[in-house]
Amino acid sequence: GQQLNQSPQSMFIQEGEDVSMNCTSSSIFNTWLWYKQEPGEGPVLLIALYKAGELTSNGRLTAQFGITRKDSFLNISASIPSDVGIYFCAGQNPGYALNFGKGTSLLVTP
Amino acid sequence: DGGITQSPKYLFRKEGQNVTLSCEQNLNHDAMYWYRQDPGQGLRLIYYSQIVNDFQKGDIAEGYSVSREKKESFPLTVTSAQKNPTAFYLCASSIVSGAGYGYTFGSGTRLTVV
Repeated sequence: GQQLNQSPQSMFIQEGEDVSMNCTSSSIFNTWLWYKQEPGEGPVLLIALYKAGELTSNGRLTAQFGITRKDSFLNISASIPSDVGIYFCAGQNPGYALNFGKGTSLLVTP
Repeated sequence: DGGITQSPKYLFRKEGQNVTLSCEQNLNHDAMYWYRQDPGQGLRLIYYSQIVNDFQKGDIAEGYSVSREKKESFPLTVTSAQKNPTAFYLCASSIVSGAGYGYTFGSGTRLTVV
């Protein structure tokens, strides 16, 4: 499958700071998704994006589907300790399984 | 409540032994998937199935086998041919494959070869 380039690989921030991470691909996708994985658990879907240019929010999380359909970003505002985890981007085209990025590991200190 | 269940949570295997990881879903999803997760490697697709009695290899299928005899179940066998089986294994399901609805994941099985 197509490997997505996700950055940064890790982030270590203080509580209250905003966070930004992004994902790029050499191929276009019809759908972009963002997942969060807590230690020892499976990933949980945070946001799904279906249209180029779409900007979607889920509480303190905001994600955008890039105009070129080859990228997406996720922002977290006013981070809190429970935001800790690994965030994965994923791209999908009809008939194919999801392609995942390698993840961004987020650590938040009180 | 509907969901996807993986068992066991932790599994230890001696070298040279086959071991089967269980995955059951009651979401009425057609498609099911197995991923392997290693530190810093993200999620790599092992096998997936879009319909009962049919499945396709993913990116790292060597040393693994699956079956899909029932819609609800998609067990993964890690064979002795898998050279580095110690990893975290995740099962997932979706309404249909490639429809953009995202996946529901199980809570994973951590396999350790001793």
